Amino acid sequence: QLQLQESGPGLVKPSETLSLTCTVSGGSFSSSTYFWGWIRQPPGKGLEWIGSIYDNVNTYYNPSLRSRVTISVDTSKNQFSLKLSSVTAADTAVYYCARPRTVSDHHFEYWGQGILVTVSS
Amino acid sequence: EIVLTQSPATLSLSPGEGATLSCRASQSVGSSLAWYQQKPGQPPRLLIYDTSNRATGIPARFSGSGSGTDFTLTISSLEPEDFAVYYCQHRTNWPLTFGGGTRVEIK
Repeated sequence: QLQLQESGPGLVKPSETLSLTCTVSGGSFSSSTYFWGWIRQPPGKGLEWIGSIYDNVNTYYNPSLRSRVTISVDTSKNQFSLKLSSVTAADTAVYYCARPRTVSDHHFEYWGQGILVTVSS
Repeated sequence: EIVLTQSPATLSLSPGEGATLSCRASQSVGSSLAWYQQKPGQPPRLLIYDTSNRATGIPARFSGSGSGTDFTLTISSLEPEDFAVYYCQHRTNWPLTFGGGTRVEIK
């Protein structure tokens, strides 16, 4: 069974860069066939798609975050990563990594448990 | 950006009753709409993809319908474990967007 697990600091200072990693296990990690994604959810609010990566280098970002987001892949470690720069309190959220149901799909069937990242000094 | 509007915001029902949740898109998404269920402290769970297809392991009491801009998630008879928040999501183009959610609570 495919499993995803987010990791990274739970506390980030304002203006710094949030860095998270998603480790994939229990299945084939093939960034060349799936659109691996990051989604976030501020406390008590709804879901926001951050971005997705496909084929190692093709990235797609939410326009509202595009200037601050970078998603990358490390296939040797079965990981993909999220960097969000110049964070503010508005970036406080649970961050999820996810994989779609099938290749070329964008409906997310596999999710990590999520990691709460708080932006505070 | 395609905006998805879900209604109602909250649905108060009793176990055994049926539930009808709506998702309206600001422009046509064809049939490329999914529904998720989320319980407190858990990630979303894919229920329905491409309007009407149940994901793996999803009970038959969940069904989806619609096309274009108007979609419905129906729960035929609510079980205690169905009380949760439900989100719709399109995959028609970038950016992917989610609706604001409908909370199904116990009356």
